[in-house]
Amino acid sequence: AQTVTQSQPEMSVQEAETVTLSCTYDTSESNYYLFWYKQPPSRQMILVIRQEAYKQQNATENRFSVNFQKAAKSFSLKISDSQLGDTAMYFCAFMKRPDNNNDMRFGAGTRLTVKP
Amino acid sequence: EAQVTQNPRYLITVTGKKLTVTCSQNMNHEYMSWYRQDPGLGLRQIYYSMNVEVTDKGDVPEGYKVSRKEKRNFPLILESPSPNQTSLYFCASSIRQGGNQPQHFGDGTRLSIL
Repeated sequence: AQTVTQSQPEMSVQEAETVTLSCTYDTSESNYYLFWYKQPPSRQMILVIRQEAYKQQNATENRFSVNFQKAAKSFSLKISDSQLGDTAMYFCAFMKRPDNNNDMRFGAGTRLTVKP
Repeated sequence: EAQVTQNPRYLITVTGKKLTVTCSQNMNHEYMSWYRQDPGLGLRQIYYSMNVEVTDKGDVPEGYKVSRKEKRNFPLILESPSPNQTSLYFCASSIRQGGNQPQHFGDGTRLSIL
């Protein structure tokens, strides 16, 4: 079974600075997807970024980028120029490809606070 | 607007009183699923459905039922709720199983079972 580990339960960063959230996963699969979801206080689950394991290039979405290290099974999220609106719970998730279930395995989450 | 709608958003009830949390999506998605979110555990899948009349258990199905009579609706039923089912619940949908299809989540339902 796949497991996803987020080793930082809480983190904080000053506004405008850069922060990196870590995620590691355990799988024997070679083909899969990785995701970062953001959950603000409103409780919505918002997709931030996704990475396909067969792509070596790290995904980027504006201020959000990932450092995908397939051999190390690591998938960290870097947030540049942090904004107050980035304050949220962040979940790392794994989905096997192909998967009959679309089941996403989530980490326990990292609570990020951006301080003014 | 494309969305997944859950109701209610909050519910406090008592042990043993049957309840249903509704989920509806307007994107004609084939795949729908239910998760529960608990502190320190992230989200865990309860049940999923790959299409109408096709449902299956996820990781934590005990104490829950689902049905998929129509494509757009996927209600979660707690026949006899217990306090250990107090949690934050999310319904999610995606176009179909497999592939690079991220799931769209509802806004969550916070259930408290006393």
